[in-house]
Amino acid sequence: DIVLAQSPGTLSLSPGERATLSCRASLTVASNYVAWYQQKPGQVPRLLIYGASSRATGIPDRFSGSGSGTDFTLTISRLEPEDFAVYFCQQYGSSRWTFGQGTKVEVK
Amino acid sequence: QVQLVQSGAEVKKPGASVKISCKASGYSFTTYYMHWVRQAPGQGLEWMGIINPIGGATTYAQKFQGRVTMTSDTSTSTVYMELNSLRSDDTAVYYCARRSPHDYWGQGTLVTVSS
Repeated sequence: DIVLAQSPGTLSLSPGERATLSCRASLTVASNYVAWYQQKPGQVPRLLIYGASSRATGIPDRFSGSGSGTDFTLTISRLEPEDFAVYFCQQYGSSRWTFGQGTKVEVK
Repeated sequence: QVQLVQSGAEVKKPGASVKISCKASGYSFTTYYMHWVRQAPGQGLEWMGIINPIGGATTYAQKFQGRVTMTSDTSTSTVYMELNSLRSDDTAVYYCARRSPHDYWGQGTLVTVSS
């Protein structure tokens, strides 16, 4: 199975700052089939990005995804109060899907 | 609107089995595969497997092979996930999630395994 390593584990930032989250795969992800999800406490995960760089329906343009092969990045250009949450990457390019362990974006 | 409605919370003893349902509505049930994902308390997301609602073909994560069974009932637009030989570390919230990437999720079902 493809192992996804997310870094950092925790990101401490202030509202208005830029957040850069990394997701590194142990093998090349076919067709750059990487998704990013946001999860707030007590809530169901929400799809943000798919295909490494396409925003899901209704997702603000301050969220962007990039990368290819084994290295992928989620960028939040200017953090809003509602963006403080945990973010997970997922690969769906192999026969068995896997998630990263998550990055928590917290208020500094 | 698309909805995935899961069955209620369960409390099980170690060694028992649990079967969770996920009823889909608001779209053509046979159009999209369904996934199961779990999340232990305070932990990350763990993909368990996928089922094709037509015909019921499945692929399971290696970790759960031999212990999980996913089934589908097209007459009721419902998928099921049964996990056997439960252990305390199976305590988690279990989600069904539509297609890949997962655009819609069920509300989650808490399974507590405790003696």
